[in-house]
Amino acid sequence: EAGVVQSPRYKIIEKKQPVAFWCNPISGHNTLYWYRQNLGQGPELLIRYENEEAVDDSQLPKDRFSAERLKGVDSTLKIQPAELGDSAVYLCASSPTESVFRETQYFGPGTRLLVL
Amino acid sequence: AQKVTQAQTEISVVEKEDVTLDCVYETRDTTYYLFWYKQPPSGELVFLIRRNSFDEQNEISGRYSWNFQKSTSSFNFTITASQVVDSAVYFCALSDLGAGGSEKLVFGKGMKLTVNP
Repeated sequence: EAGVVQSPRYKIIEKKQPVAFWCNPISGHNTLYWYRQNLGQGPELLIRYENEEAVDDSQLPKDRFSAERLKGVDSTLKIQPAELGDSAVYLCASSPTESVFRETQYFGPGTRLLVL
Repeated sequence: AQKVTQAQTEISVVEKEDVTLDCVYETRDTTYYLFWYKQPPSGELVFLIRRNSFDEQNEISGRYSWNFQKSTSSFNFTITASQVVDSAVYFCALSDLGAGGSEKLVFGKGMKLTVNP
């Protein structure tokens, strides 16, 4: 079974530029998560989708970040414009059901973003 | 509020040594889940184990073992006879229903293990 796929793996941009990350979850997983992991820290949730619906976006900086999951499968996370402080690893994860509480989340390899 | 503390930030051992990674958690819920993930240099978080709060039995999987003690709110992870391939950052995480039923998975800051040949 294929794992969570993310692209690109690395991205270097100049500040104020836009950037987008793509995620394909494990087949059959209805719940998809985007996390941000700063250097030396654990991942922190940005947004959670159940199928097409964003059910928890309380930690998403909505002035510059946006996300979509149009057909309930793949998802895109966008930053526009990027700031220096956005440099981090962006991780996508998926789980079989909507129960964050009980289900194990499976993570992709992440996109390492460097903003210059 | 949920909190996970991994007091050790970095450990270096020589191959074949045993090493224990500590994890202490805080939660107001009586039902919760605890996890350990491994993050090798490639960056992907690899799931290792999930344990619910009602199951305090220790678990062993090959060279890995986990000691869950509710009395001390700890969920420690031991690697026996460490190998170079065990070098990674290890994260402990907690999920509970949270305030107002807001389910969330909270990670510790991670512990970097280096196993030297």
